Amino acid sequence: GQNIDQPTEMTATEGAIVQINCTYQTSGFNGLFWYQQHAGEAPTFLSYNVLDGLEEKGRFSSFLSRSKGYSYLLLKELQMKDSASYLCAARTGGFKTIFGAGTRLFVKA
Amino acid sequence: DAGITQSPRYKITETGRQVTLMCHQTWSHSYMFWYRQDLGHGLRLIYYSAAADITDKGEVPDGYVVSRSKTENFPLTLESATRSQTSVYFCASSEKWTSNEQFFGPGTRLTVL
Repeated sequence: GQNIDQPTEMTATEGAIVQINCTYQTSGFNGLFWYQQHAGEAPTFLSYNVLDGLEEKGRFSSFLSRSKGYSYLLLKELQMKDSASYLCAARTGGFKTIFGAGTRLFVKA
Repeated sequence: DAGITQSPRYKITETGRQVTLMCHQTWSHSYMFWYRQDLGHGLRLIYYSAAADITDKGEVPDGYVVSRSKTENFPLTLESATRSQTSVYFCASSEKWTSNEQFFGPGTRLTVL
């Protein structure tokens, strides 16, 4: 079967660093996405990893280990506006993308 | 306006009625997708389309019908709505198969009574 697991909720403090983990099991794998979704809004693209390693983009970084079926999203210098759901998604064979249920991140002052 | 739009944004209907959700994009993207989002399930793919007149099933296609007569439009029809189809529906588009990013519309919140 195909499965993506990520924590349901996390809480962190403004200015801190938080790591959101994601594990996946899919039939076929062509890359791992992270999307951000604020409450009541559409998901917006954050990052895409297809090779092992760390991709850095400003305050956000994403890591992938294909052999372990594992990824994480690292958010640095947290801001209140980072309070949102973070969706991990794997592109499987063909052009289908399987999404995890999302991790709700609460940033407190 | 440029981008991807959905209509209506909110819809309440009754069991057994036919409902069509509209999706329109102005980028001329080849690929378009319909997802539903429910608590605890994340986004689940209903149907996708690689080009005009080419569509294929996703994870949860039962009870839904799509068409794509024009590149820019990708309507989703619930032929006979059921309460289990109460959900938030997102349309998305992507430029090509190798594109990394899908662009999502604002969503349609559908309630079936």
